[in-house]
Amino acid sequence: ETGVTQSPTHLIKTRGQQVTLRCSSQSGHNTVSWYQQALGQGPQFIFQYYREEENGRGNFPPRFSGLQFPNYSSELNVNALELDDSALYLCASSLGLAMNTGELFFGEGSRLTVL
Amino acid sequence: AQTVTQSQPEMSVQEAETVTLSCTYDTSENNYYLFWYKQPPSRQMILVIRQEAYKQQNATENRFSVNFQKAAKSFSLKISDSQLGDTAMYFCAFMKRDSWGKLQFGAGTQVVVTP
Repeated sequence: ETGVTQSPTHLIKTRGQQVTLRCSSQSGHNTVSWYQQALGQGPQFIFQYYREEENGRGNFPPRFSGLQFPNYSSELNVNALELDDSALYLCASSLGLAMNTGELFFGEGSRLTVL
Repeated sequence: AQTVTQSQPEMSVQEAETVTLSCTYDTSENNYYLFWYKQPPSRQMILVIRQEAYKQQNATENRFSVNFQKAAKSFSLKISDSQLGDTAMYFCAFMKRDSWGKLQFGAGTQVVVTP
């Protein structure tokens, strides 16, 4: 069974640039959630995708956007990067809504630094 | 909106001893789930234990157990017979019953197990 994988593991961008982060969900999981974890804080929910549709969004501006593909992998895109976007971005997959026990399976994250 | 509070930034415990981490939460919901997740230095979040709010019996997973006090909105984690591999950041998390994958995390407690 393949776990959740994320890429890249580390990246550095400058203010105003755009970034795309990628996530492959665990085998059999059709739901992907993205979280932002700033240094020294707990993860904050960005949004969730279920069967290629956005299924809920946290308190993040529209420049944070996402996609889910037919194979349930997902992308997180952030436009017009700001210094405060520097964080660890975590992807988590889970079973479909009807079977969901609430347990999330996390990847190791993508560490984004904005200079 | 829900809030999750972890008031202990760091806890130190010797091997084989017991440590208890505190967590309180605020919600008007009646049906929800509570979780403790562990984040070791490798960054990958792992589920430690899960509690359904409608169950009065406290959850137990091997050396990990919780004390769930619904009226007091308290959800503490006890780690018994601490091991060096327990060194990690521990996050308490809340999820409404119909919000699969959308967790509200606390700020975390760093647990350091010493020989």
